[in-house]
Amino acid sequence: EAGVTQFPSHSVIEKGQTVTLRCDPISGHDNLYWYRRVMGKEIKFLLHFVKESKQDESGMPNNRFLAERTGGTYSTLKVQPAELEDSGVYFCASSQDWDSAAFFGQGTRLTVV
Amino acid sequence: QQQVKQSPQSLIVQKGGISIINCAYENTAFDYFPWYQQFPGKGPALLIAIRPDVSEKKEGRFTISFNKSAKQFSLHIMDSQPGDSATYFCAASISRAAGNKLTFGGGTRVLVKP
Repeated sequence: EAGVTQFPSHSVIEKGQTVTLRCDPISGHDNLYWYRRVMGKEIKFLLHFVKESKQDESGMPNNRFLAERTGGTYSTLKVQPAELEDSGVYFCASSQDWDSAAFFGQGTRLTVV
Repeated sequence: QQQVKQSPQSLIVQKGGISIINCAYENTAFDYFPWYQQFPGKGPALLIAIRPDVSEKKEGRFTISFNKSAKQFSLHIMDSQPGDSATYFCAASISRAAGNKLTFGGGTRVLVKP
């Protein structure tokens, strides 16, 4: 069974540009989470989808970040326009139920220059 | 304000030794405490987890100790092996409300020397 897959693995963009990160959860997992680890800091929760609905987006840093989950399958996280402080590793995780173990993807390393 | 504080930031241990990582939390509503292991280029993987109704949980060479009154929990890696070299994260959540809305510690980079 395929795990959580994230694309791209790395992305280097200039300040002011737009970047879209993609996450393919484990098939059948209704719950999808986005997390971020900024350099030297802890991994922080961004938001939680249940199917296509945003259950909790309390961790989204500002309105430059937009997350979508089309049809309750894959999810995208768009940063527009990107700022230097957005650099970090963005992780996606999925779980079958809201209280079952979450499986993480390998992450997307975003560097804004 | 960091709700889960993890120490040390890095740890070097000889093969066969014991690795100990400590975490302290502030939110008394937390009731689920997992530990994640992350290898370079990979995402965090659930290693072992505990709930506050028990004081210790052991899985193979990995043991979690939990002290509810002190709001602390720790991971012990017994007989540490070079393959255990990784970054370890403690985390906490309010499982009744949002089991996988995890609050992570800062991580501990463990290096096991052969």
